[in-house]
Amino acid sequence: GNSVTQMEGPVTLSEEAFLTINCTYTATGYPSLFWYVQYPGEGLQLLLKATKADDKGSNKGFEATYRKETTSFHLEKGSVQVSDSAVYFCALLHTGTASKLTFGTGTRLQVTL
Amino acid sequence: EPEVTQTPSHQVTQMGQEVILRCVPISNHLYFYWYRQILGQKVEFLVSFYNNEISEKSEIFDDQFSVERPDGSNFTLKIRSTKLEDSAMYFCTSTGLAGGDQETQYFGPGTRLLVL
Repeated sequence: GNSVTQMEGPVTLSEEAFLTINCTYTATGYPSLFWYVQYPGEGLQLLLKATKADDKGSNKGFEATYRKETTSFHLEKGSVQVSDSAVYFCALLHTGTASKLTFGTGTRLQVTL
Repeated sequence: EPEVTQTPSHQVTQMGQEVILRCVPISNHLYFYWYRQILGQKVEFLVSFYNNEISEKSEIFDDQFSVERPDGSNFTLKIRSTKLEDSAMYFCTSTGLAGGDQETQYFGPGTRLLVL
């Protein structure tokens, strides 16, 4: 079946460091891929998405490229800020109408001064 | 900006009691979902709902669970007889503007359910 695997956290970085959070997926068909972010005490917010191979999603300095050949959708940011501290979830959307999201386990990012 | 709202934010109940979690999806959205997140675990799909009927449900969504859209705005999740293992954060999402983006699901802030 479809699944998403994320790197385990927590990830602790100093401010202005480079961030990579790895995400790989297994899926039938051609899913869309998402990164959601969950700040402390809040719900999930869409961070970025990509709907087909080689698409790059980007938002707030974060970006991720849909790599079909490696079945990956790694999240990157060139210079993290303390305010980026949150849990990041990689997810895929199954193809078809009214499709469900399948999530990875989430990666907690802690950014320190 | 339109958003999904959920009530209550927190609910504490005794095992065996019924609970109803409420959601108001984004207006004009067509597809509605419930997910749950047990503390420290991944977000899991429960059920999807479209055109006033269930489109898909997971193994978690057994006979103790039901969903309803009673009045065209609210979308509810009912758990008839709660169990300890139902303790989780429950998220409602919606998507699907007619003729628009039917993939991006917008999450509500969640209801934290604690079953004692």
